[in-house]
Amino acid sequence: GAGVSQSPSNKVTEKGKDVELRCDPISGHTALYWYRQSLGQGLEFLIYFQGNSAPDKSGLPSDRFSAERTGGSVSTLTIQRTQQEDSAVYLCASSLAGIASTDTQYFGPGTRLTVL
Amino acid sequence: ILNVEQSPQSLHVQEGDSTNFTCSFPSSNFYALHWYRWETAKSPEALFVMTLNGDEKKKGRISATLNTKEGYSYLYIKGSQPEDSATYLCAFMDSNYQLIWGAGTKLIIKP
Repeated sequence: GAGVSQSPSNKVTEKGKDVELRCDPISGHTALYWYRQSLGQGLEFLIYFQGNSAPDKSGLPSDRFSAERTGGSVSTLTIQRTQQEDSAVYLCASSLAGIASTDTQYFGPGTRLTVL
Repeated sequence: ILNVEQSPQSLHVQEGDSTNFTCSFPSSNFYALHWYRWETAKSPEALFVMTLNGDEKKKGRISATLNTKEGYSYLYIKGSQPEDSATYLCAFMDSNYQLIWGAGTKLIIKP
């Protein structure tokens, strides 16, 4: 079946603009995760959804970041007033069961965000 | 602060040689350890999930061991091939289901 998809694959924006990143998880997966990888760094966990609910938003880097998930499916990560330090690859993953399991996370191809 | 460390950061290995690298994690509140492979221009792909102390997993030429008491896992690759070139990530999950990722070991196989 179809894997996790993300759009756009690449996004170049100017400092101060808002951007919206989209993730389509694997159908039927209840958990959805957002990560980012800045240049030379490891994966940084941002937020996860169990269904449409995000129990813990403390991983979001600042209040300029927000995320939502609707219908237990598609999720969007919005970054307002982008800064150069937001430049990174943003990865989305989904898993069949929730975070309180050892289920494999299936990753999307990522969105490479460049803030000029 | 929970910390997951992977060593070495990068590794060059001659094709045909075997190699291994390490993931170190907190030895308390262990729930699970994941290993992923991330090839350039692709998505991270799951290799193993390990939950029990002493666990050993194998997938083809790749295997992993787990020591939860001392807080480390080894990933072994036997007879390295060019297609093994990738960054290998481990992720530690504690009993509060907090998932912490290591920065990865970048493996380069030289033909």
